[in-house]
Amino acid sequence: DAKTTQPNSMESNEEEPVHLPCNHSTISGTDYIHWYRQLPSQGPEYVIHGLTSNVNNRMASLAIAEDRKSSTLILHRATLRDAAVYYCILVPTNTGNQFYFGTGTSLTVIP
Amino acid sequence: EPEVTQTPSHQVTQMGQEVILRCVPISNHLYFYWYRQILGQKVEFLVSFYNNEISEKSEIFDDQFSVERPDGSNFTLKIRSTKLEDSAMYFCASSLWGGNTEAFFGQGTRLTVV
Repeated sequence: DAKTTQPNSMESNEEEPVHLPCNHSTISGTDYIHWYRQLPSQGPEYVIHGLTSNVNNRMASLAIAEDRKSSTLILHRATLRDAAVYYCILVPTNTGNQFYFGTGTSLTVIP
Repeated sequence: EPEVTQTPSHQVTQMGQEVILRCVPISNHLYFYWYRQILGQKVEFLVSFYNNEISEKSEIFDDQFSVERPDGSNFTLKIRSTKLEDSAMYFCASSLWGGNTEAFFGQGTRLTVV
C-alpha cells in the first residue's frame, strides 16, 4: 500500500511558488516517484515522475533527495486552477506497477 | 491529446443488480487499472490488468468483481450483485508500460446503488 507521507493541507498565494513535500523513507531501488493531482470532481491527473534525477516539465518540477527518501513537487507560479489534492505515489516496477494513492495534500491557492 | 473515456458518467442501480462499467483506454497502452473513490475518501486501487490477465488486485476486489477486455479496445468492470457500499466514483486508467510511464485516468463513472 501507499508508503508516502504528505502534509494534509497547504496554502499558497496566487503567482507564488509552491513546494509540496513528500517523505518516502522506505522507498526501494526500483520504485518510481510519481505525482498526480485531483481537481474537484475530476479524475486524477498526471503531473510528473522521476527515479533519481530532478525532473522538469511544463507543469512542474520534481526535486528528489540524493538518498531518495524524500521529494518535493515545485509549482513555479501557483494559479487558482492549481487548487487540488496532490498525491505523491511510489510505483514499483517489479511487482505489478499499481498506483496506490495516499490521502495527499490539499492545496489552497489564495487570490 | 489522447484520453481515457468512461461510460456512463453516472449510473443508478438497485441493490443486488449487476452493473458493467465501461472504459476505452488509450489505444497503444498495455496496462489497465480500475480504482474507486467513495465520496470524501481517498482513491483506492481495485485491480491492474496486463497481457489479458489480472496482474494485481486489492482486498476490495472480491468475487463480486470481475474485469474483462472483450474486444481489444474496451476494458470493463463488472459488479455482479451490487451493495449500497459499492456506491462510489469508479476510475479507469491506462499506462503504456508500468512504473516508468505516466498513467492516464478517465473522468470516472459515478455509481449510485439504491
